[in-house]
Amino acid sequence: ETGVTQTPRHLVMGMTNKKSLKCEQHLGHNAMYWYKQSAKKPLELMFVYSLEERVENNSVPSRFSPECPNSSHLFLHLHTLQPEDSALYLCASSQEGLINEKLFFGSGTQLSVL
Amino acid sequence: GNSVTQMEGPVTLSEEAFLTINCTYTATGYPSLFWYVQYPGEGLQLLLKATKADDKGSNKGFEATYRKETTSFHLEKGSVQVSDSAVYFCALSPPNSGGSNYKLTFGKGTLLTVNP
Repeated sequence: ETGVTQTPRHLVMGMTNKKSLKCEQHLGHNAMYWYKQSAKKPLELMFVYSLEERVENNSVPSRFSPECPNSSHLFLHLHTLQPEDSALYLCASSQEGLINEKLFFGSGTQLSVL
Repeated sequence: GNSVTQMEGPVTLSEEAFLTINCTYTATGYPSLFWYVQYPGEGLQLLLKATKADDKGSNKGFEATYRKETTSFHLEKGSVQVSDSAVYFCALSPPNSGGSNYKLTFGKGTLLTVNP
């Protein structure tokens, strides 16, 4: 039990579908992240929320839309995705303000876009 | 910019073999360095870290020494087990990140498979 829970674990969607990924952390952290993990590529940071405010958005296409309603929950809304968006999407959390505080990751959602 | 380069995998070893996974970095100043591990079907978890030159991080029999002169942070274990089979990620956090942990830069990951 890592304290960060992601649902669903697997998702298959067509390019015209709309779906959402959910992340919940039970660690009392004040920052949450979305990462994209693709084979043979470095982990890509997509979005960061600190104290429920978006503080980082690394040029992610608008077909990905994050939402952070409170410090414990993070969503990634998906629409009109492309096959190259197929990847493992990881959520993480940490306590900002503590230097070199480690990230706690969820198990991820394996997304396949057909 | 900052970057991390890891040895290409996959790495396949027999149980009780010696493990080295190479990691070199490019950064300005003195970054903090990390190894994260991802077991099958799970997210990443911190394995060890070192925050200044010549520091040695260690955990679960794994070790890595922060070498400023060679800009390296190689991961080693003297005797691997089947349960060590996982993907290993080297990462750095730039100096003066002020507690902003999202500034981590990860390598591509190295898949390790240990056979009985």
